[in-house]
Amino acid sequence: GPKVLQIPSHQIIDMGQMVTLNCDPVSNHLYFYWYKQILGQQMEFLVNFYNGKVMEKSKLFKDQFSVERPDGSYFTLKIQPTALEDSAVYFCASSSGDQDTQYFGPGTRLLVL
Amino acid sequence: GDSVTQKQGQVTLSEDDFLFINCTYSTTTYPTLFWYVQYPGQGPQLLLKVTTANNKGISRGFEATYDKGTTSFHLQKASVQESDSAVYFCALGNAGAKLTFGGGTRLTVRP
Repeated sequence: GPKVLQIPSHQIIDMGQMVTLNCDPVSNHLYFYWYKQILGQQMEFLVNFYNGKVMEKSKLFKDQFSVERPDGSYFTLKIQPTALEDSAVYFCASSSGDQDTQYFGPGTRLLVL
Repeated sequence: GDSVTQKQGQVTLSEDDFLFINCTYSTTTYPTLFWYVQYPGQGPQLLLKVTTANNKGISRGFEATYDKGTTSFHLQKASVQESDSAVYFCALGNAGAKLTFGGGTRLTVRP
């Protein structure tokens, strides 16, 4: 099936530093998403993005978070500065339409020390 | 807001056993309902999806019926295999394109 790639697979970073998580979505998809999963807890929606804009964000999408997809390249999630509670697995997803199936990447495991 | 509840955090079965995973949801709209499966080290993969109330989704021997009356979308399989061992997530999708996930049920199938 369609593949979403995420780079890196793991990232360890010191608290206060900046981190950028990269997502390579399915090539003809137009809608992009980030979800956060803390170990042992359920996956939670962070943000969705379409046509260069954030459509909706949850309360988990703090002011330190930002997303962009410059010129059709990677869809990125940037956290600046990072906090201990940002440690989690971050999953990127993409879909062709807003009601269509979302395809997920394998996740980036972020550990903030 | 929307919510999805999976009562069972873990289920352990033997091969050829019947599988039942409980899922109930709460929403004020008419959602699409999903089951995703997640294998170790991978992201969730769509298992099945149902957009219309009272319809059943079937995939790879798994089935789930969108029951608007009981607001449930339980997952069943007649005979599980060891390869079905994974984490199963029930999810709800509404206009606005975000998915609301349940807590997940870890299925372990013993050979």
